[in-house]
Amino acid sequence: SQQGEEDPQALSIQEGENATMNCSYKTSINNLQWYRQNSGRGLVHLILIRSNEREKHSGRLRVTLDTSKKSSSLLITASRAADTASYFCATGSGGGADGLTFGKGTHLIIQP
Amino acid sequence: GAVVSQHPSRVICKSGTSVKIECRSLDFQATTMFWYRQFPKQSLMLMATSNEGSKATYEQGVEKDKFLINHASLTLSTLTVTSAHPEDSSFYICSAFGTAYYEQYFGPGTRLTVT
Repeated sequence: SQQGEEDPQALSIQEGENATMNCSYKTSINNLQWYRQNSGRGLVHLILIRSNEREKHSGRLRVTLDTSKKSSSLLITASRAADTASYFCATGSGGGADGLTFGKGTHLIIQP
Repeated sequence: GAVVSQHPSRVICKSGTSVKIECRSLDFQATTMFWYRQFPKQSLMLMATSNEGSKATYEQGVEKDKFLINHASLTLSTLTVTSAHPEDSSFYICSAFGTAYYEQYFGPGTRLTVT
């Protein structure tokens, strides 16, 4: 299994602050994706970054990928209470037809 | 965007019984569907990959005779948990991949509780 590690496992910040979560993985990847999961709910796809990309933005989200270090980071700027959720990175070795390997996740709490 | 549904969203069953969970791609044809399991406060773990019309491929440690997967059409895959035990209680999430899209689309999940 190439299950990745996320750190921190839990993060609590004040509303308006930025939140940074990191993910490391073990083997070569084709792409890396970040998902959000609200408690007891399904997954919401946030962003996909391909192995030949180094940085990607989507709204308040910024994702970086360093394949030499086998790591990625997710930055959420100007956090809101609604951002409270668990965030997972997931890696795929091929295209979308391959199963994903999920990291352990970071539980983010935004204090109002 | 692509929509994937799961039914039921929650199910409670007694130990020893079987329960079937459906995963449907509503607006696209899914050549491949995946089943994941998530225990409380843990991450998702891939259980199996199923391609339409062929046998599912199970991940190491997942009993194929206990978790029966059928992918009989391009829009439907089913997971049947046979002879359920309390330790099978978990959140089961499916995802679907179709050639029209680059990524997998996830269903909303099914919460299984075995009493």
